[in-house]
Amino acid sequence: QKEVEQNSGPLSVPEGAIASLNCTYSDRGSQSFFWYRQYSGKSPELIMFIYSNGDKEDGRFTAQLNKASQYVSLLIRDSQPSDSATYLCAVNTDNRKLIWGLGTSLGVNP
Amino acid sequence: DVKVTQSSRYLVKRTGEKVFLECVQDMDHENMFWYRQDPGLGLRLIYFSYDVKMKEKGDIPEGYSVSREKKERFSLILESASTNQTSMYLCASWASAREQYFGPGTRLTVT
Repeated sequence: QKEVEQNSGPLSVPEGAIASLNCTYSDRGSQSFFWYRQYSGKSPELIMFIYSNGDKEDGRFTAQLNKASQYVSLLIRDSQPSDSATYLCAVNTDNRKLIWGLGTSLGVNP
Repeated sequence: DVKVTQSSRYLVKRTGEKVFLECVQDMDHENMFWYRQDPGLGLRLIYFSYDVKMKEKGDIPEGYSVSREKKERFSLILESASTNQTSMYLCASWASAREQYFGPGTRLTVT
């Protein structure tokens, strides 16, 4: 059974701090990795994806991938109250199908 | 700039009814997906389609069917609605890792 695991949280950080969200996956054949943000009552929206080991930066967001340890993380720098949401990790092993984590709830306190 | 639309935001149906959920995308994407999202269970794939008239079962296809007669439209059908199909239904459209979007979702209640 292919699995993606995330700490459900809630994770609480003060405004301006770095929020660190983690995700582990079970299938070593996983090829691409995605982070989505989902506000309460809304649908998920893609934040970042990463294929290769290392870091990928996009504005305040950095995705980190370590295939040997089978984890992917998302760092949010200078966290803002508007970043308060649930963050979903998803992993692609079978080209078209994603395996989803249950999400981590993040709260950013002003 | 709405990219993926779903026919209803909220829907209430009775047990045993046949229910149609429609999803339309305006981006000429080949791949479309239907998920349901439930607290504690996350997003689960029901069906997906990678081309017109093509479909593949996801992880929980039982009790559902789909139709894709035109590229822009992917329909989810609940043949005989049951209370355990009460859920948030999300449609997604995918061209590439960078170009993928979800619709706003349909919250279905079956009574």
